[in-house]
Amino acid sequence: QVQLVQSGTEVKKPGASVKVSCKASGYTFSSYGFNWVRQAPGQGLEWMGWISAYNGNRNYAQNLQGRVTMTTDTSARTAYMELRSLTSDDTAVYYCARGGRLAPVNLDYWGQGTLVTVSS
Amino acid sequence: EIVLTQSPGTLSLSPGNTATLSCRASQSVSSGYLAWFQQKPGQAPRLLIYSTSSRATGIPDRFSGSGSGTDFTLTVSGLEPEDFAVYYCQQYGTSQLTFGGGTKVEIK
Repeated sequence: QVQLVQSGTEVKKPGASVKVSCKASGYTFSSYGFNWVRQAPGQGLEWMGWISAYNGNRNYAQNLQGRVTMTTDTSARTAYMELRSLTSDDTAVYYCARGGRLAPVNLDYWGQGTLVTVSS
Repeated sequence: EIVLTQSPGTLSLSPGNTATLSCRASQSVSSGYLAWFQQKPGQAPRLLIYSTSSRATGIPDRFSGSGSGTDFTLTVSGLEPEDFAVYYCQQYGTSQLTFGGGTKVEIK
């Protein structure tokens, strides 16, 4: 069965960077992509971007351009999301979700979420 | 960026009732690329509906989606106790995906 398992809770200071991982199993890794979605405490869902595990194409949310980098490692079957220059506004649960191979469509399977807390 | 507005913010219903949730887009959603998700406290969202009206794998047929252009609806017929949750719509017809603000379906 399809599973996405994310890395654990992170606590960071303002100005630091965080890198969250998402290990996939149960399907052909390079036939899909990965979306990243975050949710601030008590708030709704915010799409951060998508990366294709097929050809490496990326599409980032405009408000995060320049601060976010998404990568994949096919041999490790893992996707990564790095966010830099953290502020308290980046405190959220970060989710990976499987998406399309050529476009960020059909977020059909989700990881369990990774809590990132930014605090001095 | 397409802005999605969900209404109502909260829906208070009893088990067995029918829930009708609305999602209105600020511009037409290309190819009907509109999805619905369910989220329960402390859990990741779950895909219910994609492409406006197609049910995702394993989703019961009491969940149905409809609409076109800028107006979309999620209907849950005969609410079960496990259906009380927050529901989000999402469009993926543009390169910048967006979510609605959510509708909470609570037990009356």
